[in-house]
Amino acid sequence: NAGVTQTPKFQVLKTGQSMTLQCAQDMNHEYMSWYRQDPGMGLRLIHYSVGAGITDQGEVPNGYNVSRSTTEDFPLRLLSAAPSQTSVYFCASSYSRGRWEKLFFGSGTQLSVL
Amino acid sequence: TQLLEQSPQFLSIQEGENLTVYCNSSSVFSSLQWYRQEPGEGPVLLVTVVTGGEVKKLKRLTFQFGDARKDSSLHITAAQTGDTGLYLCAAAVANKFYFGSGTKLNVKP
Repeated sequence: NAGVTQTPKFQVLKTGQSMTLQCAQDMNHEYMSWYRQDPGMGLRLIHYSVGAGITDQGEVPNGYNVSRSTTEDFPLRLLSAAPSQTSVYFCASSYSRGRWEKLFFGSGTQLSVL
Repeated sequence: TQLLEQSPQFLSIQEGENLTVYCNSSSVFSSLQWYRQEPGEGPVLLVTVVTGGEVKKLKRLTFQFGDARKDSSLHITAAQTGDTGLYLCAAAVANKFYFGSGTKLNVKP
């Protein structure tokens, strides 16, 4: 049972480079979301999706793009990496839209932007 | 200003001691969740509290939702080294999940 799979586990980028963080879930969850975790800040929502073809912004969307062409996949794109985007990124999914449904998290991607 | 304020930020205690972690807000929530995160892993849900005044127990962990549904607490009785980790409270508002900044707990043997 794979759950939520994130790749890569670690990534180092130079300022200005672009990349895509991959997230896939095999639980047929409608809801998927991306968070960044910085020391002392908890997790902050970047973007989320309530179903295929539907995405919306979270608390800190600037510098990131998402798309949801299938139920399973929700990639996060960094358009032009900046040192301020150095963080640990988590993808999470849930059976339904918010409320009290349980979030299932991937194991994270540690990104460093030099 | 974060929607959910957690305290304390850090806690270092000896095995066998009791502790309480707090999660406060000025907003009212339909439910509140507690997650635990270990190094190098994503958070894992411990409990969801839904009703004001609700108390839920998970072995040595006791979770309470405030009567006004604005705050919650997590009490650990006789902490063990296996309780070490980052504890996060979270709430969902209009399809968006908001997290507290977390309480980093270290239980020493």
